[in-house]
Amino acid sequence: AQKVTQAQTEISVVEKEDVTLDCVYETRDTTYYLFWYKQPPSGELVFLIRRNSFDEQNEISGRYSWNFQKSTSSFNFTITASQVVDSAVYFCALSEAPSGGGADGLTFGKGTHLIIQP
Amino acid sequence: DVKVTQSSRYLVKRTGEKVFLECVQDMDHENMFWYRQDPGLGLRLIYFSYDVKMKEKGDIPEGYSVSREKKERFSLILESASTNQTSMYLCASRSLGQSYSNQPQHFGDGTRLSIL
Repeated sequence: AQKVTQAQTEISVVEKEDVTLDCVYETRDTTYYLFWYKQPPSGELVFLIRRNSFDEQNEISGRYSWNFQKSTSSFNFTITASQVVDSAVYFCALSEAPSGGGADGLTFGKGTHLIIQP
Repeated sequence: DVKVTQSSRYLVKRTGEKVFLECVQDMDHENMFWYRQDPGLGLRLIYFSYDVKMKEKGDIPEGYSVSREKKERFSLILESASTNQTSMYLCASRSLGQSYSNQPQHFGDGTRLSIL
């Protein structure tokens, strides 16, 4: 069975600080995919990034960066120079490789509520 | 841009009613999903569909059924609503992609359902 743990329920920082959201996962598969989603107060889940298990290269997109480490089963997300608009709930999710061409759902962590104070 | 539309943002129903939650996507995606989101529990998969007329149970299917008669539409049905089904319901769709490469799911805005 697969599992995603986001140990930080809520984080509050002051604007312009850097913040890292932790994600630890469990899976028996050798091929799997990791995702981060953002859920602003409006409720819609916004896709941020997908990473497959064969690609451990870190990624940077503007103020966002992701650190994937298979050795520790972690896929952490860092926001540099945080802004008030970054306030949201952030979800880490895991999906194993589809088999037989079928669909499969995401296993989500419980989310981290990030509060950026002005 | 992918557009996933859920028919209602807010819905109030009574215990025992049959409730339909509708979801439509405009990108010809093969896969569609229904999740519920509850505080402290995150998102949990109720049902998903590979393609038209196909459906599979997720992690918490009890008390729910689904219908997918057309590719763009995936309906979640609460056969006899109960108060413990009060929740936020999220629909998602996904392209099968190349070599089943697990494309990201795209979500609707959600339906906040209250069962009184």
